[in-house]
Amino acid sequence: KQEVTQIPAALSVPEGENLVLNCSFTDSAIYNLQWFRQDPGKGLTSLLLIQSSQREQTSGRLNASLDKSSGRSTLYIAASQPGDSATYLCAVSEPYNNDMRFGAGTRLTVKP
Amino acid sequence: DTGVSQNPRHKITKRGQNVTFRCDPISEHNRLYWYRQTLGQGPEFLTYFQNEAQLEKSRLLSDRFSAERPKGSFSTLEIQRTEQGDSAMYLCASSLRTSGGDWKETQYFGPGTRLLVL
Repeated sequence: KQEVTQIPAALSVPEGENLVLNCSFTDSAIYNLQWFRQDPGKGLTSLLLIQSSQREQTSGRLNASLDKSSGRSTLYIAASQPGDSATYLCAVSEPYNNDMRFGAGTRLTVKP
Repeated sequence: DTGVSQNPRHKITKRGQNVTFRCDPISEHNRLYWYRQTLGQGPEFLTYFQNEAQLEKSRLLSDRFSAERPKGSFSTLEIQRTEQGDSAMYLCASSLRTSGGDWKETQYFGPGTRLLVL
């Protein structure tokens, strides 16, 4: 059974700092991996989707990498801002499965 | 607004009562998913529909839970005889599954319905 783990569970950084969030998964036979953002009490917003054949995706200040063989993904946030404060979730999709497996998330706080 | 909408946003009920939630997906999306999220955890898959057909159900979906998508558009999730352990955020997502076997679809999530069972 696929298990997704995110480390750290919580992270607090000063504004302007670059940071890395980690996601690991136990079964490398994934179809894609997505990073989501969730604000308190709200739904999920998709940030980046990486296909299993890809190594990374970039959107603005965000860069997500995927190392399928080692079962790892990282989300890099450059020049963090207070508005980046949220919970970041990673999720994997597997071939022939229709659901996504989520990690528990990393709660990020960016202090002004 | 053409995003995924869910109603109600909040529901408080007493143990043993029945509750029903509604999800309106993005109009052209043929897939609709239900997830449950408890505090401090990521969402857990419950079930999904391709058009009006319910194609998969998680073992988390006990026989007290039923979901429908009668016309392939909106969906309802009903919980009968609610228990305190049902308290959670219930999230709906939709996606467009295209032909050709490519699973490149992105799921778009609604704001969720937060259920509290007293």
